[in-house]
Amino acid sequence: QKEVEQNSGPLSVPEGAIASLNCTYSDRGSQSFFWYRQYSGKSPELIMFIYSNGDKEDGRFTAQLNKASQYVSLLIRDSQPSDSATYLCAVKRDQGAQKLVFGQGTRLTINP
Amino acid sequence: GAVVSQHPSWVICKSGTSVKIECRSLDFQATTMFWYRQFPKQSLMLMATSNEGSKATYEQGVEKDKFLINHASLTLSTLTVTSAHPEDSSFYICSGYVYPDQYFGAGTRLSVL
Repeated sequence: QKEVEQNSGPLSVPEGAIASLNCTYSDRGSQSFFWYRQYSGKSPELIMFIYSNGDKEDGRFTAQLNKASQYVSLLIRDSQPSDSATYLCAVKRDQGAQKLVFGQGTRLTINP
Repeated sequence: GAVVSQHPSWVICKSGTSVKIECRSLDFQATTMFWYRQFPKQSLMLMATSNEGSKATYEQGVEKDKFLINHASLTLSTLTVTSAHPEDSSFYICSGYVYPDQYFGAGTRLSVL
């Protein structure tokens, strides 16, 4: 079982709709959760991080964390073509830890 | 945010030669830098953790004699791929750690002919 699992996609969403990206993790001791966006041929850029159960909103993005289910998700509202990218979920064992464990990423395509 | 400069962005080399990749933190001091490798359509795989002034810690399965890492200062870490072979062709990305986040370089695409 992989430490961090994501559906590789591709996930196609019409422009203006909500894109929902999901991630599960195996280490129940994980404390910090990150969503990165990676455009083709580029390095990842941080979108959001979340530490506590529940929802965290930042603009069009909402991260959701459920530690009991070992599940973290990212919602993108009012999806734009520029949101088309690969979204990487990453996990740290604790907030003070430095090492990130990445999922394989979900490729998202927003159709105009 | 913190800026990490990675150079070169793209390198082509012949099989058997060595390639050095530099990673610089421009506006912060990175006591820890990470080196990742990413094959097409796959995720980032951590190769090693580099701490300033000490030996790098390599992940399981990564040959430390093939991937030499030097972190001689708080702003510079280098990765040298020695005796490169076509299977080493990949996208190599470094990151510098400043609590609570890692800041990624732009990556180096290595093609070994």
